[in-house]
Amino acid sequence: GIQVEQSPPDLILQEGANSTLRCNFSDSVNNLQWFHQNPWGQLINLFYIPSGTKQNGRLSATTVATERYSLLYISSSQTTDSGVYFCAPLGNKLVFGAGTILRVKS
Amino acid sequence: GAGVSQSPSNKVTEKGKDVELRCDPISGHTALYWYRQSLGQGLEFLIYFQGNSAPDKSGLPSDRFSAERTGGSVSTLTIQRTQQEDSAVYLCASSFAILYEQYFGPGTRLTVT
Repeated sequence: GIQVEQSPPDLILQEGANSTLRCNFSDSVNNLQWFHQNPWGQLINLFYIPSGTKQNGRLSATTVATERYSLLYISSSQTTDSGVYFCAPLGNKLVFGAGTILRVKS
Repeated sequence: GAGVSQSPSNKVTEKGKDVELRCDPISGHTALYWYRQSLGQGLEFLIYFQGNSAPDKSGLPSDRFSAERTGGSVSTLTIQRTQQEDSAVYLCASSFAILYEQYFGPGTRLTVT
């Protein structure tokens, strides 16, 4: 099956800093989702992005399907951005990476 | 509209007992999925239902696990003769159809003692 690698595994930021999270996947996919898992465990949808770039406020995502990677950009980070970020290529089901644990310090 | 709901939010059971976990998908969504999140295995797919088609059970870890979806809406995940390694958060998701964006419920935290 498809393999998903996320980097970095852990990231600590000072509030206001920018960051880039990366997701590599081993096979072509129909689509890809990015999620933020908050401290209460809820998976929050960030992006549904098969290719190209999408923006939502301080967050944006780019997927280059031909090169099998996706990037999540977080600008002007806030403490509420803390949590775990997952990418998940989508075929008939989602295949999750191990996640990036983000801690934003005030 | 309402999101995906799951019940119970927490379940503690003794080893060897059976448990049932419930999922109510978003109204109008034809696809429903179960995933499991555990410390050792991360987030892993268990089973999905799409309309009236036969479910894809390829992710179920053993024959102690089963799921059904009645009337194309509510789903129940049943774990028989629970083991300690079944302790995890069980997450349900739904989507308009297969290949569409999936939305997750809050999960059921299962603890087997």
